[in-house]
Amino acid sequence: AAGVIQSPRHLIKEKRETATLKCYPIPRHDTVYWYQQGPGQDPQFLISFYEKMQSDKGSIPDRFSAQQFSDYHSELNMSSLELGDSALYFCASSPRRQGEEQYFGPGTRLTVT
Amino acid sequence: QKEVEQNSGPLSVPEGAIASLNCTYSDRGSQSFFWYRQYSGKSPELIMFIYSNGDKEDGRFTAQLNKASQYVSLLIRDSQPSDSATYLCAVNEYTGRRALTFGSGTRLQVQP
Repeated sequence: AAGVIQSPRHLIKEKRETATLKCYPIPRHDTVYWYQQGPGQDPQFLISFYEKMQSDKGSIPDRFSAQQFSDYHSELNMSSLELGDSALYFCASSPRRQGEEQYFGPGTRLTVT
Repeated sequence: QKEVEQNSGPLSVPEGAIASLNCTYSDRGSQSFFWYRQYSGKSPELIMFIYSNGDKEDGRFTAQLNKASQYVSLLIRDSQPSDSATYLCAVNEYTGRRALTFGSGTRLQVQP
C-alpha cells in the first residue's frame, strides 16, 4: 500500500538559513498534518491542512509557514533557522472519516549547525 | 500536567508474556484514541485505533477504552523481542481539533 512520502530525508542547514520540507500524502487522503519531534520528546503538532486550506494551527513558530497544493502535497517552509529547530519533522495524512487515523511519513531529519 | 499521560517505563516483560500499556487523558472532548509504535529514530507507526468504549482486537494487539474513566490501554499478547520500542498513546477531539495530542510514550523491552 502507498505510504506518505517525505523529502528530503536528511537536511543539514546553517543558522539563519532557510529550508523547505515536502510531503506527499497517501492517495485519497485529504488532510495533512505536520509534527516536530525533538530528541527524547513526543511529536508536537505544528499545522494542518484540509482540502488545501489551513485547518488548525499548533505550536508553529512565526518563522515557519506551510501550504497545501492542488495535488494535495504540502510544503513546510522554515526561515531564519535556529539551533533549536534541529529535530525530526513528520508529515501525516488522514482520510476525513470517523476516527481519522493518521499515517506518518518517514520524516525529515533537520540538523541546524 | 500533560493532557495525555503515560508511564515512561521501561516496561520489561519476558518473551511470550502479555505486555500491558496504559494511558490516561484529561480532555473529556477526546473522541478518537490511537496507539503508535516508534522505534528509535523512526516515524510513529499506527498499530491500533479505537473510538468506542470496550475492547478492539487486531492480531496480538487489543486496545481497551473506558471514556468514563478517561483511560485507554494496549495489550500485546505473545510479546516478541521485535516489539521492543516506544509506544505512544495519542488522542484527538475529532469534532474539534483533529491534530493528535501525544503522551510521552512508554518504552517496552521484551527480554528473549
